[in-house]
Amino acid sequence: QLHLQESGSGLVKPSQTLSLTCGVSGESISRGVHTWSWIRQPPGKGLEWLGYIHHSGGTYYKTSLKSRVTISGDRSKNEFSLKLTSVTAADTAVYFCARGHISSWYSFEYWGRGTLVTVSA
Amino acid sequence: SSELTQDPAVSVALGQTGRITCQGDSLRSYSASWFQQKPGQAPKLVIYDKDNRPSGIPDRFSGSSSGSTASLTITGAQAEDEADYYCNSRDSSGVVFGGGTKLTVL
Repeated sequence: QLHLQESGSGLVKPSQTLSLTCGVSGESISRGVHTWSWIRQPPGKGLEWLGYIHHSGGTYYKTSLKSRVTISGDRSKNEFSLKLTSVTAADTAVYFCARGHISSWYSFEYWGRGTLVTVSA
Repeated sequence: SSELTQDPAVSVALGQTGRITCQGDSLRSYSASWFQQKPGQAPKLVIYDKDNRPSGIPDRFSGSSSGSTASLTITGAQAEDEADYYCNSRDSSGVVFGGGTKLTVL
């Protein structure tokens, strides 16, 4: 059974870098054919996709966030990470990691439980 | 980037049929997926590739699409179907989500 678990700092100061990791168990992030995404949800609001890392290591980011987002993978730990630079209060959200469906990479089939990140001084 | 528009709220009587729609230009080129989200939980995929159900999703959930509009239909709505529902699709900036629809089962 595939399981995803987000971890990282829950409080980040404005202008600093948000860093999160998604630990994956039950499947290798580098051997399958799937994409591994980060998605966020501000409190009481809707969902926003941030980007993905492909099983091959390639990445694809939301255009409007491309200058601030980096997603990387660690095959030895079977995890992938998100870095978001120059954060502001608008980046306060629950951050989810998710795996795309084999036939539609933006159909997020498996999700972590999410982790709340608050941007505040 | 494009947008996907959903009605903020839809209600359906218990056991009746409810429909949630999602409108956007990107749906002319890319199929929609649908997600169910209950309070405090991660979203759950209920429909992918316009009209396919993942394993474990009840067959009362179905999807369809025509032109720039995708629809999620719940036939015989149950109390446990009360939730927020989001559509998404690809677009020129990556992935776009609809604003979400709160489904109330009366």
